Amino acid sequence: DGGITQSPKYLFRKEGQNVTLSCEQNLNHDAMYWYRQDPGQGLRLIYYSQIVNDFQKGDIAEGYSVSREKKESFPLTVTSAQKNPTAFYLCASSISGGQHNEQFFGPGTRLTVL
Amino acid sequence: DQQVKQNSPSLSVQEGRISILNCDYTNSMFDYFLWYKKYPAEGPTFLISISSIKDKNEDGRFTVFLNKSAKHLSLHIVPSQPGDSAVYFCAARSGTYKYIFGTGTRLKVLA
Repeated sequence: DGGITQSPKYLFRKEGQNVTLSCEQNLNHDAMYWYRQDPGQGLRLIYYSQIVNDFQKGDIAEGYSVSREKKESFPLTVTSAQKNPTAFYLCASSISGGQHNEQFFGPGTRLTVL
Repeated sequence: DQQVKQNSPSLSVQEGRISILNCDYTNSMFDYFLWYKKYPAEGPTFLISISSIKDKNEDGRFTVFLNKSAKHLSLHIVPSQPGDSAVYFCAARSGTYKYIFGTGTRLKVLA
């Protein structure tokens, strides 16, 4: 079964702690993305990566970091510098170079800071 | 600055009738538009898309219309079914890899 997996589904963190959200895909997609969704808001882009060992900041990158050491993996670290980290985090991937390439999303991770 | 707007946060439609979800955008450089459907606590799933060189794309019960002069697109669902109840996001492609999403419209189809 091809798809995107995110783990864990629910995550609780104490204030001041860093936490890493996992995202894995076996779709052989080059591009991967992290979004954040807050109530009443659309999906806002945190980081994206077009190829391995390369990534770019999205619209709300402050307080987050990523790595892309393998094609299939794009973990997101929420650092203690992120002022309001409680949110629903979505990972996505897409083929690259296509004219019409939709994104495939994982099931999401709900992060709650206590 | 919201480049992709969905001005109706919610919509209720009777089963069997048409659902029309609307989306407006501000950037005329967007070249590709998508609609996603999202259930609670799940990731969005791709529904239908349209290139900026077209004005209509149809897939079964779903049709997307694009009016470039008005910078407006709409999703029509005919006939609406209770299983269509979800939040619908429109998105626009900005550059090769960047997508900008609207805030979503919650559709409720009443049986």
